[in-house]
Amino acid sequence: EVQLVESGGGLVQPGGSLRLSCAASGFTVSSNYLSWVRQAPGKGLEWVSVIYSGGSTYYADSVKGRFTISRDSSKNTLYLQMNSLRPEDTAVHYCARVNTAMASWYFDLWGRGTLVTVSS
Amino acid sequence: SSELTQDPAVSVALGQTVRITCQGYSLRSYYASWYQQKPGQAPVLVIYGKNNRPSGIPDRFSGPSSGNTASLTITGAQAEDEADYYCSSRDSSGNRVVFGGGTKLTVL
Repeated sequence: EVQLVESGGGLVQPGGSLRLSCAASGFTVSSNYLSWVRQAPGKGLEWVSVIYSGGSTYYADSVKGRFTISRDSSKNTLYLQMNSLRPEDTAVHYCARVNTAMASWYFDLWGRGTLVTVSS
Repeated sequence: SSELTQDPAVSVALGQTVRITCQGYSLRSYYASWYQQKPGQAPVLVIYGKNNRPSGIPDRFSGPSSGNTASLTITGAQAEDEADYYCSSRDSSGNRVVFGGGTKLTVL
């Protein structure tokens, strides 16, 4: 079955760090573009980061310099290392596969999300 | 600009047609994709590219676009269509993605 399963969320204090994982099955992580998208409680979707199949990475301005997206081909897993966490980073974090078959990208596969809560 | 603008809320009578719009400069270069999200669930892709529906999405969903405006039209809205809807596209740089603020659809 083709799916994405996130893990690693939890409660962390402001200024702390957390690493999210997203295990993929049914397709190869390193051959695809993958993204992290988050949603604060009661708010809309916010794009966070993308990693290209070639390894290039891009970030939203709100997380640039604090978050790092990466992948492990041997584990077929995507990661998001989150440092210097702030209360406004509190959100459900989803990983999603980016379909780049056409110039207009879209997210064709989503995980169920993992909740990150930043609070003292 | 890297923003997509949606109306916060729209309502429609059961069985009637509703259009949800999304405006943004990047839509002059890229088609929007549309996602349906129900409470407590992950988003689900409903429209992508030039008005394409993934397998399993009813044909009452369509997604025309023109200029800097993309639309999601539901022809004959059903009770199960009540949800939040988000548009998304690549931003003007082409390397990032942007989402609209979302539209809460109420089916009366």
